[in-house]
Amino acid sequence: DVQVVESGGGLVQPGGSLRLSCAASGFTFTSHWMTWVRQAPGKGLEWVANIKQDGSEKYYVDSVRGRFTISRDNAKNSLFLQMNSLRAEDTAVYYCVRNRAGLDYWGQGTLVTVSS
Amino acid sequence: QSALTQPPSASGSPGQSVTISCTGTSSDVGGYNYVSWYQQHPGKAPKLMIYDVIKRPSGVPDRFSGSKSGNTASLTVSGLQAEDEADYYCSSYTGSNNVVFGGGTKLTVL
Repeated sequence: DVQVVESGGGLVQPGGSLRLSCAASGFTFTSHWMTWVRQAPGKGLEWVANIKQDGSEKYYVDSVRGRFTISRDNAKNSLFLQMNSLRAEDTAVYYCVRNRAGLDYWGQGTLVTVSS
Repeated sequence: QSALTQPPSASGSPGQSVTISCTGTSSDVGGYNYVSWYQQHPGKAPKLMIYDVIKRPSGVPDRFSGSKSGNTASLTVSGLQAEDEADYYCSSYTGSNNVVFGGGTKLTVL
């Protein structure tokens, strides 16, 4: 079965950093773009970033560009999101998602809380 | 990267049909046939219901259908069932490998 499992969320102070990880299994990781989507408490979905199969292309929503870095380790079937200079408005559940036709497999998410 | 526009709420009785709209621009919804719809129950991860405007992933009931006209995409749920009560989000490709979501629509089955 296809699975994506996020980890690394937690409480961090404004200005701090956090690195999210996503472990993928049950499919050929190297065949798919991968995406991070976030959802602030009680709010809608927001696309954050995506990365090409070989990591050669990366794209970001304007609000995180320059602060967040998406990356992947194809040898370990893993996706990452390095988040720096965190702000209160980055507080959200972060989902790791496989791109195929649409965003077709979602993890259960990991909660990031930015607060002093 | 402005969000797509969805009505905040929609409702229907069991067995009825309901349509949720998703309005964008010629730079997103109107410019590409890459509109998707997602269903999200409380406390759960979103689930892909429609992709490429009209296609249904395996396992999604054919009661769910998608369409598009100009800059507006629509999701229609026919034969409403209690388990269809959820939040629904549309999304569209915007070019440059970016994606934008709608604000979400809470569907209530009366």
